[in-house]
Amino acid sequence: QSVLTQPPSASGTPGQRVSISCSGSRSNIGSYPVNWYQQLPGTAPKLLIYNRNQRPSGVPDRFSGSKSATSASLAISGLQSEDEATYYCATRDDSLNGFNWVFGGGTKLTVL
Amino acid sequence: EVQLVQSGAEVKKPGESLKISCKGSENGFNNYWIVWVRQMPGKGLEWMGIIYPGDSDTRYSPSFEGQVTISADKSITTAYLQWSSLKASDTAMYYCARSSHIVVAPDQWGQGTLVTVSS
Repeated sequence: QSVLTQPPSASGTPGQRVSISCSGSRSNIGSYPVNWYQQLPGTAPKLLIYNRNQRPSGVPDRFSGSKSATSASLAISGLQSEDEATYYCATRDDSLNGFNWVFGGGTKLTVL
Repeated sequence: EVQLVQSGAEVKKPGESLKISCKGSENGFNNYWIVWVRQMPGKGLEWMGIIYPGDSDTRYSPSFEGQVTISADKSITTAYLQWSSLKASDTAMYYCARSSHIVVAPDQWGQGTLVTVSS
């Protein structure tokens, strides 16, 4: 059971805008920036969004992140077939000792 | 840019020990934190722990404390993840990734090492 809750699946058609949610609590999303990773099938995760809504070099501006209180969202506009992947939110959590990063359970995005 | 190259796939029996590696491509490796992430078959990502190769400062996620050992050899820009006695439940893909700071999301990832534990 992940500390951060994501819907297991989402879908959209090419060109559409889709949004993936990540729900947490005051000790994680309520206290720290939310980061988003994309994992294409059979590959390593790739950082999409960090530090609130920054994109690493090479990540298209079709991807954007937002946060409100204890929830966050990843929005993908102009959906493309190559966006079909699993998306994970990640942040830190004050309720954990030691290395206190946590992932959401992941959302598998299907492009119809 | 630091690239991370992980060691190859392993097939082991329960009870055996194992050490997998993650080699950085340049000396800058020692100025970054290296994190390990587990992905069990068909499942999500789990943070395992993190190490700063420069001084071997190591932190573990609560679920993995005592289950694995993370280490590094800064002279050869390599981080390690090891088990003293593998279990079938350790079967997973293991990724290493680089972070500029312990509070910053890792941005460069290795290609992953598949560990299969089966009798």
